[in-house]
Amino acid sequence: QKEVEQDPGPLSVPEGAIVSLNCTYSNSAFQYFMWYRQYSRKGPELLMYTYSSGNKEDGRFTAQVDKSSKYISLFIRDSQPSDSATYLCAGRSGGGADGLTFGKGTHLIIQP
Amino acid sequence: GAGVSQSPSNKVTEKGKDVELRCDPISGHTALYWYRQSLGQGLEFLIYFQGNSAPDKSGLPSDRFSAERTGGSVSTLTIQRTQQEDSAVYLCASSLERMREQFFGPGTRLTVL
Repeated sequence: QKEVEQDPGPLSVPEGAIVSLNCTYSNSAFQYFMWYRQYSRKGPELLMYTYSSGNKEDGRFTAQVDKSSKYISLFIRDSQPSDSATYLCAGRSGGGADGLTFGKGTHLIIQP
Repeated sequence: GAGVSQSPSNKVTEKGKDVELRCDPISGHTALYWYRQSLGQGLEFLIYFQGNSAPDKSGLPSDRFSAERTGGSVSTLTIQRTQQEDSAVYLCASSLERMREQFFGPGTRLTVL
């Protein structure tokens, strides 16, 4: 079992819809959680960085972490065609390991 | 300000040749990371630098892979005797200090023929 699992998609939604992207993880030591957006042939761009359980909001984006169920989510409100990209979730433990463990990404398509 | 830069953006090489990939982190960032992204495996951690030292080399896939960082800034990832399975996008990231947010560069796309 891979440490971080994501549905690869593609996930196709109409413009203006609320998008829900999800990951599950297996490593109980994870304390930090991130969401990155990656456009084709570009490097990953950091969207959200959260610590432990709870919610964090930044503009149209909300990240949610539930450590009890090892489940992390990213919500995108008022989705735009420019949001079409691959979304990568990642986790990291609180000490010792410095490298991020990534899911394989979900390909999102926002239809105009 | 300037982000993480990587060069070259694309590299095509023949099997058995050595390659060097360069990373310039964000100015003032003390921590630097190398990752590899391939179709089958996704994004995988290779090595971490704090300053010029590499306390975590756990992700390097074989002894053909090595990396160094000089002056607490520029880093070079070297792959010796390249194999076709080394074909991937090699990404560099930096963070202000250990355990902070990591910001990625655009990557180097390596193709081994």
